[in-house]
Amino acid sequence: NAGVMQNPRHLVRRRGQEARLRCSPMKGHSHVYWYRQLPEEGLKFMVYLQKENIIDESGMPKERFSAEFPKEGPSILRIQQVVRGDSAAYFCASSPTHPAGGINTGELFFGEGSRLTVL
Amino acid sequence: GEDVEQSLFLSVREGDSSVINCTYTDSSSTYLYWYKQEPGAGLQLLTYIFSNMDMKQDQRLTVLLNKKDKHLSLRIADTQTGDSAIYFCAESLSGYSTLTFGKGTMLLVSP
Repeated sequence: NAGVMQNPRHLVRRRGQEARLRCSPMKGHSHVYWYRQLPEEGLKFMVYLQKENIIDESGMPKERFSAEFPKEGPSILRIQQVVRGDSAAYFCASSPTHPAGGINTGELFFGEGSRLTVL
Repeated sequence: GEDVEQSLFLSVREGDSSVINCTYTDSSSTYLYWYKQEPGAGLQLLTYIFSNMDMKQDQRLTVLLNKKDKHLSLRIADTQTGDSAIYFCAESLSGYSTLTFGKGTMLLVSP
């Protein structure tokens, strides 16, 4: 059972370009979360999605950032017109649709992250 | 609001015990977690504790929860160089809510 897969692992963009980060959750997981880790900072929640629905986007910047989790295919985090301050590691996590034993402990399974560098 | 605080750095010698501390502000927190992040990697869950427990032991790991003081600690017995990593404390209000993470404690284990 493959873990959470993120790609690309590293992405370099110039200011003003677009960045697209992809995340495939673990098999059997329909909940996807995106977190951002800035240098010297902890992980900050961005958005929580289920298939075709955004459940909580309270951590998303109001402009330039969007996320989707279509019925088919990976979840996409899209950053338009990137700026240097967007340079960070972006982590995707997933959680199971039906937790083992029926008990949801809230455990998140993380991917290895996508590291965005904006020049 | 939710806030999680951790000390930023801890250095120990191999074979010693390590204790990483965390405080949180939201008394409604139901689940508390410790995650480990090795360089260049994602986060891996080490252990979690329900708020109605005060201690949980799992091999070399011991988690202590003082709910009155909103203080959580992770003790690693017989610390090894492979334990060097960043350790994140996190909380959630329920099994279905998002996690709030601390900034992480970098543990450095020297031979």
